[in-house]
Amino acid sequence: GESVGLHLPTLSVQEGDNSIINCAYSNSASDYFIWYKQESGKGPQFIIDIRSNMDKRQGQRVTVLLNKTVKHLSLQIAATQPGDSAVYFCAEKNNTGKLIFGQGTTLQVKP
Amino acid sequence: DAGVIQSPRHEVTEMGQEVTLRCKPISGHNSLFWYRQTMMRGLELLIYFNNNVPIDDSGMPEDRFSAKMPNASFSTLKIQPSEPRDSAVYFCASSFASGGETQYFGPGTRLLVL
Repeated sequence: GESVGLHLPTLSVQEGDNSIINCAYSNSASDYFIWYKQESGKGPQFIIDIRSNMDKRQGQRVTVLLNKTVKHLSLQIAATQPGDSAVYFCAEKNNTGKLIFGQGTTLQVKP
Repeated sequence: DAGVIQSPRHEVTEMGQEVTLRCKPISGHNSLFWYRQTMMRGLELLIYFNNNVPIDDSGMPEDRFSAKMPNASFSTLKIQPSEPRDSAVYFCASSFASGGETQYFGPGTRLLVL
């Protein structure tokens, strides 16, 4: 069946280092991917998205990379800050237009 | 912009009671989504509307759940009767694109059914 999964449930990084959060997806026909950040007690917050006709997209301190050959998505956060501590979800848009979310990766930033 | 507004933020009720969750999407957005989040199952789409019309309700758990969108600025998710296994955080999201992209989430309603 269709699934979007994350390789690591928890990622711990030192403040100031770069973070890389990975995501695998199974539907090769997916044409849109998105990353969300969810802080404790809050709703998911949009970070960045990418379409399948792109390999890379950059935002403010964040970069999303898409490797369609191996169906892999990653989120890179530069100079990680304590405020980046949260759960990060990747999601893909399936054939029916619905977003399918992964289980999430917890990012812990150590001061 | 105030963002997606949900009420109540917290709800504690007893099994068998009716629960109504409310959502006001971002003005101008034409798609609205209801999600449920639990530790065991993660974030699940229950139903979504496009231009106030339900498009896909395949995620609605059972007949106890119903959702309506009487106009572009208001939607409800109702559970009747509620059961302890319905305890979860319920999120409403809206998007400008009918394709469901770039959804903006509300703060959620934390429901506890005793």
